Amino acid sequence: DGGITQSPKYLFRKEGQNVTLSCEQNLNHDAMYWYRQDPGQGLRLIYYSQIVNDFQKGDIAEGYSVSREKKESFPLTVTSAQKNPTAFYLCASSWNSGANVLTFGAGSRLTVL
Amino acid sequence: DQQVKQNSPSLSVQEGRISILNCDYTNSMFDYFLWYKKYPAEGPTFLISISSIKDKNEDGRFTVFLNKSAKHLSLHIVPSQPGDSAVYFCAASVLVRDDKIIFGKGTRLHILP
Repeated sequence: DGGITQSPKYLFRKEGQNVTLSCEQNLNHDAMYWYRQDPGQGLRLIYYSQIVNDFQKGDIAEGYSVSREKKESFPLTVTSAQKNPTAFYLCASSWNSGANVLTFGAGSRLTVL
Repeated sequence: DQQVKQNSPSLSVQEGRISILNCDYTNSMFDYFLWYKKYPAEGPTFLISISSIKDKNEDGRFTVFLNKSAKHLSLHIVPSQPGDSAVYFCAASVLVRDDKIIFGKGTRLHILP
């Protein structure tokens, strides 16, 4: 079955540590996205990538980094510079950027202790 | 500045009755609108969409209405069922510009027995 796999589902991190969230898709989609969900805040775009080896900052990119070395993979690193990293992180993909239906992964919940 | 607004954080509806979720937008360039449904600790799933050339789109129990002059859209669910209890996100984008999708903050729908 085609879809998006995010791992780990739950992750705990100590303050000052970087952590990388994995996102893999086998849908052959060109575009991939990272969103963050906080209570009452909806979905806020962190980074997105329209093609391999290219990515753009979203609305809340500070303290995060990404790479897109392969079409299938779009890992997100939450760095120690992110002031409030505890959140639910969602990866998504679509055929191309813009007005296309996004397919989301199941999410990763990061808790900073 | 919030371009897509869902002003009701939550809504409670009796099972079997109609649920109406509202969404307002400010960007008159938006020409494609989507609704997503999200259960706790899961990724959102696509529900229904509408292009700005239409004013209504129906899919089973779900109907989306678009009022371009008022910059308003609504999602009607009838009849409401217990499995409809979830958070609903309204989203919009500018199709011709291949822009990223902008999400509202979501409305939590509770279906009461």
